[in-house]
Amino acid sequence: AQTVTQSQPEMSVQEAETVTLSCTYDTSESDYYLFWYKQPPSRQMILVIRQEAYKQQNATENRFSVNFQKAAKSFSLKISDSQLGDAAMYFCAYRTPNAGGTSYGKLTFGQGTILTVHP
Amino acid sequence: NAGVTQTPKFRILKIGQSMTLQCAQDMNHNYMYWYRQDPGMGLKLIYYSVGAGITDKGEVPNGYNVSRSTTEDFPLRLELAAPSQTSVYFCASSWSAGGNIQYFGAGTRLSVL
Repeated sequence: AQTVTQSQPEMSVQEAETVTLSCTYDTSESDYYLFWYKQPPSRQMILVIRQEAYKQQNATENRFSVNFQKAAKSFSLKISDSQLGDAAMYFCAYRTPNAGGTSYGKLTFGQGTILTVHP
Repeated sequence: NAGVTQTPKFRILKIGQSMTLQCAQDMNHNYMYWYRQDPGMGLKLIYYSVGAGITDKGEVPNGYNVSRSTTEDFPLRLELAAPSQTSVYFCASSWSAGGNIQYFGAGTRLSVL
């Protein structure tokens, strides 16, 4: 079974600075997808960024980028020019490409990292 | 653009009561999921469905039931509520598995006292 570990329960950053959130995962599969979701105090789960394991190029979405190291099974999220609105719980998640068997397309989540942004 | 709609947003139940959490999506997605999120934790899968009439258990199905009579709706039933079911419940949907984005509802906060 796949597992996802976020080793940083809490992180903080000054507004306009850069912060990196860590995520490692364990899997025996070669093809899969990785996601970062943001959960603000409203509880709404919002997709931040997605990475396909077969793509070597790191995904980027505006101020958000990832450092995907497949061999090391590491998937960190970098937030540049941090803004007050970035304050939230961030979850790393893993998803297999196949819907059959025990995978059924579910997301396996890490424990989350609470990000605080200081003005 | 409603997306995934969950009702109610909050509910307090007494031990032994039953209730149904409603979930509806308007994106014509085949796949729907119910997750629960305990304090300070990630989400865990309760039940899922890959289409109308097809449902199956996830990681933590005990104490819950689901049905999927239409593509749009995927209600979660709690029978004989217990304090261990105090949690935030999220419904999600996606077109299929793999890289397709799962869209989440706003969640239902349930307390069982």
